[in-house]
Amino acid sequence: GENVEQHPSTLSVQEGDSAVIKCTYSDSASNYFPWYKQELGKRPQLIIDIRSNVGEKKDQRIAVTLNKTAKHFSLHITETQPEDSAVYFCAVPRGRAQKLVFGQGTRLTINP
Amino acid sequence: KAGVTQTPRYLIKTRGQQVTLSCSPISGHRSVSWYQQTPGQGLQFLFEYFSETQRNKGNFPGRFSGRQFSNSRSEMNVSTLELGDSALYLCASSLAPGGADTQYFGPGTRLTVL
Repeated sequence: GENVEQHPSTLSVQEGDSAVIKCTYSDSASNYFPWYKQELGKRPQLIIDIRSNVGEKKDQRIAVTLNKTAKHFSLHITETQPEDSAVYFCAVPRGRAQKLVFGQGTRLTINP
Repeated sequence: KAGVTQTPRYLIKTRGQQVTLSCSPISGHRSVSWYQQTPGQGLQFLFEYFSETQRNKGNFPGRFSGRQFSNSRSEMNVSTLELGDSALYLCASSLAPGGADTQYFGPGTRLTVL
């Protein structure tokens, strides 16, 4: 919504494989890019974020890459496990007041 | 530290009624944002309060309003409820204002309008 496009909307991968989710934004002034994970029936939680002065950030099995020129950033999950099954949201703060705009979400399913 | 809490957790109302939802942020957090979550629309920003002032507002009708108290607790109010207002309402708190700081979400209030 509001110029934050997230793809795919659903993703199913075999346990152990990698998953990639991509978000595209329109505001070139944006400089902070978080990813939130929401497990079924639970609240969203920040899992990783990146600021525009770096191109990649990694935390164990998850990583985020940023391409400011193309205005997109991606979440990478390697060696997927059943507990990675959840809905993932990207977000971008927009405007002078930095209103947080979320992507539509990606439902990730890890098949055993 | 205790996390963000929201009350009530569940509400059932009928069309035309009004409702007030409450959010208590993490101690020390002065920013509280509210979001509406629905299966079709995802997470939609409602408004943000910082130090008792609304600093940001989403694209929702005037029936949706909010306020923040001096202890940073926040309430949102929806008047003249419509069926389409049925949703999970999430609040989130952060240390700094705006979305460029980690948002800590509450468990949400699930509102059903009949």
